[in-house]
Amino acid sequence: DAGVIQSPRHEVTEMGQEVTLRCKPISGHNSLFWYRQTMMRGLELLIYFNNNVPIDDSGMPEDRFSAKMPNASFSTLKIQPSEPRDSAVYFCASSLGQSYSYEQYFGPGTRLTVT
Amino acid sequence: SQKIEQNSEALNIQEGKTATLTCNYTNYSPAYLQWYRQDPGRGPVFLLLIRENEKEKRKERLKVTFDTTLKQSLFHITASQPADSATYLCALGKSGGSYIPTFGRGTSLIVHP
Repeated sequence: DAGVIQSPRHEVTEMGQEVTLRCKPISGHNSLFWYRQTMMRGLELLIYFNNNVPIDDSGMPEDRFSAKMPNASFSTLKIQPSEPRDSAVYFCASSLGQSYSYEQYFGPGTRLTVT
Repeated sequence: SQKIEQNSEALNIQEGKTATLTCNYTNYSPAYLQWYRQDPGRGPVFLLLIRENEKEKRKERLKVTFDTTLKQSLFHITASQPADSATYLCALGKSGGSYIPTFGRGTSLIVHP
C-alpha cells in the first residue's frame, strides 16, 4: 500500500495567489482529515470528512480556506487568497473511522511558504 | 478550556537508558489516548493506544500508562537507541461520534550514542 499521498510536497507562492493542496487517502478508509502544523500552534485539525461528507470544519481558519472531497479517493484543500500567516506544513490523514484503535495514517505533508 | 501539555524542552538521554515522556491534560475526559512518533519532514506515525479503563499497555520496547485520576499518561522507551530520536506526540479522544483525537505539541527525544 502506498499510504496517504499528498501533492505537492513543497509549495512557494506569493501573497494573494490561490493555493491548492491535494490528497489521496488509503483505499478503503472512510475518514479523511486535513491538519496544519506550525511551531507556534502545533498540529491543528482543520476539517474532517466521513464518507466524503464534511462533518466538522470548525477548525478552518476563515473563509479563505475551503476543502472538498468529490470522491473516496481524492480531496483538496484550497486557500484563496493566500497570506504569509498561512505558511505551515499541511497534513492529510485517513482512517477507518471508528475503528478499534482510531489510528490515523498521515501523509508526508505539504510545506507551504507564502511570501 | 481543554489543554494537553507535553514538555516543550527536548529530552536528552544516553543510549540504553529508559526514556520517559509525559502527557498531562486538563478539562478533558478522554476515552482513549494515543501516542504518535514524528520524524523531521514526515507525518506522525501511530504507535500505541490506551483506553480509559486500561492502566498500562506494552508493545515491544514501548510502554504506556494512563492515570485518569492524575490526568496523565507516561510513555516509556526501554533500552533506547539513537534511532528512537524523534518527536513524540500524544493525542486524546472521546468515544463515539466525536472520536477525532486532539494532539499535544509533542516532545523531542534525543538519544545519544
